[in-house]
Amino acid sequence: GDSVTQMEGPVTLSEEAFLTINCTYTATGYPSLFWYVQYPGEGLQLLLKATKADDKGSNKGFEATYRKETTSFHLEKGSVQVSDSAVYFCALDGSSNTGKLIFGQGTTLQVKP
Amino acid sequence: NAGVTQTPKFQVLKTGQSMTLQCAQDMNHNSMYWYRQDPGMGLRLIYYSASEGTTDKGEVPNGYNVSRLNKREFSLRLESAAPSQTSVYFCASSGQAPGNTIYFGEGSWLTVV
Repeated sequence: GDSVTQMEGPVTLSEEAFLTINCTYTATGYPSLFWYVQYPGEGLQLLLKATKADDKGSNKGFEATYRKETTSFHLEKGSVQVSDSAVYFCALDGSSNTGKLIFGQGTTLQVKP
Repeated sequence: NAGVTQTPKFQVLKTGQSMTLQCAQDMNHNSMYWYRQDPGMGLRLIYYSASEGTTDKGEVPNGYNVSRLNKREFSLRLESAAPSQTSVYFCASSGQAPGNTIYFGEGSWLTVV
């Protein structure tokens, strides 16, 4: 079945460092791909998404490109801030695009000043 | 803009007790979902409802029942709570077009002792 694999955390970076969080997926067909962010004590918020191959999603300095050839959707940011500390989830909307998301296990990012 | 509202935010239950988690959305969405979040496992779909009057099982439905009361409301019931149901529960909603953003509530922290 469909699945999402994220890099293990926690990821600890200094402020202004470059961030990459790897995400790969397994799915039949052409799923939509998402990154969600969860700040402490809060629900999940959509960070960015891409609905077809080669699309680049971007928001708040974060970006990710839908790579069908490598089945990847890695999250990147050029210069992280302390306020980016959160848990990041990669997710896919299964091949039937029903809106039922399949999530990776989440990656905790800690940014130190 | 309330978005997705779920209650209660915190609850402690004894094994065998029953309770209902309530969820309402004000975005006129057709689809609604209940997820549970457990450490290291991301979010897993319990039940979803594609439209008013329909419900379907997700990945982990055992021990739960749901009711789509109307277009706005989607409740999750634990008939006989077990310690394995200790988790954080998230309600979510979305439109039905492929790639639509799914909006999450703030979560309900449930502990079964």
